[in-house]
Amino acid sequence: NAGVTQTPKFQVLKTGQSMTLQCAQDMNHNSMYWYRQDPGMGLRLIYYSASEGTTDKGEVPNGYNVSRLNKREFSLRLESAAPSQTSVYFCASTQPGAYEKLFFGSGTQLSVL
Amino acid sequence: AQKITQTQPGMFVQEKEAVTLDCTYDTSDPSYGLFWYKQPSSGEMIFLIYQGSYDQQNATEGRYSLNFQKARKSANLVISASQLGDSAMYFCAMSFNTNAGKSTFGDGTTLTVKP
Repeated sequence: NAGVTQTPKFQVLKTGQSMTLQCAQDMNHNSMYWYRQDPGMGLRLIYYSASEGTTDKGEVPNGYNVSRLNKREFSLRLESAAPSQTSVYFCASTQPGAYEKLFFGSGTQLSVL
Repeated sequence: AQKITQTQPGMFVQEKEAVTLDCTYDTSDPSYGLFWYKQPSSGEMIFLIYQGSYDQQNATEGRYSLNFQKARKSANLVISASQLGDSAMYFCAMSFNTNAGKSTFGDGTTLTVKP
């Protein structure tokens, strides 16, 4: 059982470049999330998708876009990367309604130079 | 707005001793869930323990227990008989049934277990 698969694990970008972080879960969860973790800080919600076909902004959405391609996949796109977006990104999923724990991907270490 | 506060940036504990990691939360919603996650140096997020706001008893999972004091809005994690492998960052988080399962996280506590 793979759980939440997140790619890539590491990425280095130059300022202004674009990229897409991919996330897929095989647990049939309705809700999926993208978080970022900066040094010394907790996870902050970027975007989330409560169900297939819906997406909503979280706490820090500026500079990002998302796509809920289907129930399994939820991608995060940086259109024009900035050094302030250097961070560790986590994808997570859960089945809300029963206070289920979050299932996390392994994270993406992104550096923007 | 919901908020989680972890006031201990770093903690040290001697191996085999117990340690308490503090977590306070702020919400006006009567229905919520409280979670603790562990993040070792390898970076993955590991679920440890969960407490529902209506649960009468404190949650326990092996060496982990959650000291839930609803009136004080605190949800402290107690780790008994600390092991070297417990050295990690620990995050307290809160989620709501009505909010698409979104979780709000504290800034974390780095625990170091000394041999």
